[in-house]
Amino acid sequence: GAVVSQHPSWVICKSGTSVKIECRSLDFQATTMFWYRQFPKQSLMLMATSNEGSKATYEQGVEKDKFLINHASLTLSTLTVTSAHPEDSSFYICSAMNRQGHAEAFFGQGTRLTVV
Amino acid sequence: GENVEQHPSTLSVQEGDSAVIKCTYSDSASNYFPWYKQELGKRPQLIIDIRSNVGEKKDQRIAVTLNKTAKHFSLHITETQPEDSAVYFCAAAMDTGRRALTFGSGTRLQVQP
Repeated sequence: GAVVSQHPSWVICKSGTSVKIECRSLDFQATTMFWYRQFPKQSLMLMATSNEGSKATYEQGVEKDKFLINHASLTLSTLTVTSAHPEDSSFYICSAMNRQGHAEAFFGQGTRLTVV
Repeated sequence: GENVEQHPSTLSVQEGDSAVIKCTYSDSASNYFPWYKQELGKRPQLIIDIRSNVGEKKDQRIAVTLNKTAKHFSLHITETQPEDSAVYFCAAAMDTGRRALTFGSGTRLQVQP
């Protein structure tokens, strides 16, 4: 159990365009999802916390107008990178938390975003 | 907030030797400490975790120890194999706190055949 599916696994887009990444919990209801960004040879850095039915909470330094998060259902959260630039190229990965709120993270496969 | 420090950043061992990776955390409220193995371009995989009600946990060749007083925990891999080569991350969080994991900076382990 506790399967999280993230799509797409990789995407290449042009500067100035927007990209949407989906994160789905397949066999459980995820009231909370987290979005991380990982640059090459670096650790996972939390970008935002997404709670179903409410606005996302962004970490310091993360632009909420650039990284739009929507968590409209208990099984789906989306991250939209708007007006993407080459410096946004990174590995984006989501994790989901079940209703009980235990800290164990269930990760999606990750999305490699390349902005050209 | 929580701050997790991890050492060393790189570790090279001979096949069959043991590897030890150490982490310290700052928030005494943290009580859940997982370790992840990440291969290039893949999601982190949970290899072992420990909660603060125990001091040690073992799963075959992998063990984790926790010292709550000193706020540090360590990953021990015995009889290393080339397939253990990867990046390992420690993390800390308050279980049931609905907070994200805070990750260490990672350790690149290379097991030389």
